[in-house]
Amino acid sequence: GENVEQHPSTLSVQEGDSAVIKCTYSDSASNYSPWYKQELGKGPQLIIDIRSNVGEKKDQRIAVTLNKTAKHFSLHITETQPEDSAVYFCAASTPDNYGQNFVFGPGTRLSVLP
Amino acid sequence: EADIYQTPRYLVIGTGKKITLECSQTMGHDKMYWYQQDPGMELHLIHYSYGVNSTEKGDLSSESTVSRIRTEHFPLTLESARPSHTSQYLCASSPSVGGLGLNTEAFFGQGTRLTVV
Repeated sequence: GENVEQHPSTLSVQEGDSAVIKCTYSDSASNYSPWYKQELGKGPQLIIDIRSNVGEKKDQRIAVTLNKTAKHFSLHITETQPEDSAVYFCAASTPDNYGQNFVFGPGTRLSVLP
Repeated sequence: EADIYQTPRYLVIGTGKKITLECSQTMGHDKMYWYQQDPGMELHLIHYSYGVNSTEKGDLSSESTVSRIRTEHFPLTLESARPSHTSQYLCASSPSVGGLGLNTEAFFGQGTRLTVV
């Protein structure tokens, strides 16, 4: 089955610096890669996603890059702010006849230091 | 904001009690999921459903059971709670796409933090 690795497990950056989180997946049939942000006491929320026919996607300070050949995708956060502090999950998703099967990475705890 | 709701948000209960965690979504999604999340962060899939009358076990073995009598409702039940069941339980849903169709996200509820004493 699908296996998703995520690095690093914890990341501390100074406010204003960039943060990069990397994920690799094993199933070449994966065609959709969402990133979730989970704040303390809340459920994960989608922040950006990318489909397998796209190499890069950007939304303001957040960007995701996908290397489908290498089965590798990354989250980039620029000009980090204290409110970016949270746990971030990547996921790889493969379709079946009923919808998507999501396999999540183990998470990265990002701390943005003021 | 996602229209998926979990109740209760917090529950402290004694060992041996039967509990049901509620999850409802108003988006008409066919696929629903239950994840268990420990303080170590990782999300473990314990149950999922393709639609009404469909339930499947996830990757992590769980003593809980689920039912799916209505599309919008996916409750999780523990017949006899134990301290080892203490955890956060997250419910999620996503639309079915019928084969190799559009990809879309899973929507999560706020979670239920369960403490068994």
